[in-house]
Amino acid sequence: NAGVMQNPRHLVRRRGQEARLRCSPMKGHSHVYWYRQLPEEGLKFMVYLQKENIIDESGMPKERFSAEFPKEGPSILRIQQVVRGDSAAYFCASSRESGLFYEQYFGPGTRLTVT
Amino acid sequence: AQSVSQHNHHVILSEAASLELGCNYSYGGTVNLFWYVQYPGQHLQLLLKYFSGDPLVKGIKGFEAEFIKSKFSFNLRKPSVQWSDTAEYFCAVNEAGTGANNLFFGTGTRLTVIP
Repeated sequence: NAGVMQNPRHLVRRRGQEARLRCSPMKGHSHVYWYRQLPEEGLKFMVYLQKENIIDESGMPKERFSAEFPKEGPSILRIQQVVRGDSAAYFCASSRESGLFYEQYFGPGTRLTVT
Repeated sequence: AQSVSQHNHHVILSEAASLELGCNYSYGGTVNLFWYVQYPGQHLQLLLKYFSGDPLVKGIKGFEAEFIKSKFSFNLRKPSVQWSDTAEYFCAVNEAGTGANNLFFGTGTRLTVIP
């Protein structure tokens, strides 16, 4: 059983460029969560998506960040016009369902470095 | 807002020593509680979880945790650590009472076990 896949594992972008981070959930999982881990901090929730729907984006910065989870294909976290403060590890997690809380399985993360 | 505190940032132990890592949270309602472990170069893995029932929870690799509701705590324990337990440990909380699915993480405790 393949786990949660994230790519790329490492991404370097110059200030002002766009970053696209991809997440493929575990087989059978229809719920995706994105978390960000800044240096020396814990993971912070960003957004929760189901297929074609954003359920909770209360942790997303208001500008430059967006997320989608299309009917086909991986979930994408997009950061436009990156700044140095966006440098972090971005983790994706997936779960089977919601309602009754199902445990989240995490991917290996994408380490974004903005130069 | 929910906060999760892990007071020990870095713990160094010799093999066979006993381990206890503290975790406290602030949410006063019903919670689901988790401990995740991140071995060097690997992704987050679930060690154990508490949803309801017996407050003493047993996880993988000999770890256990005790939920003490009155103290808002969920401390992780292991009677005898091994060198292979060297990793970063994260406590996480879900506010089950709100119906939200996201997790709030502590800042992590880095455990170094000396052979």
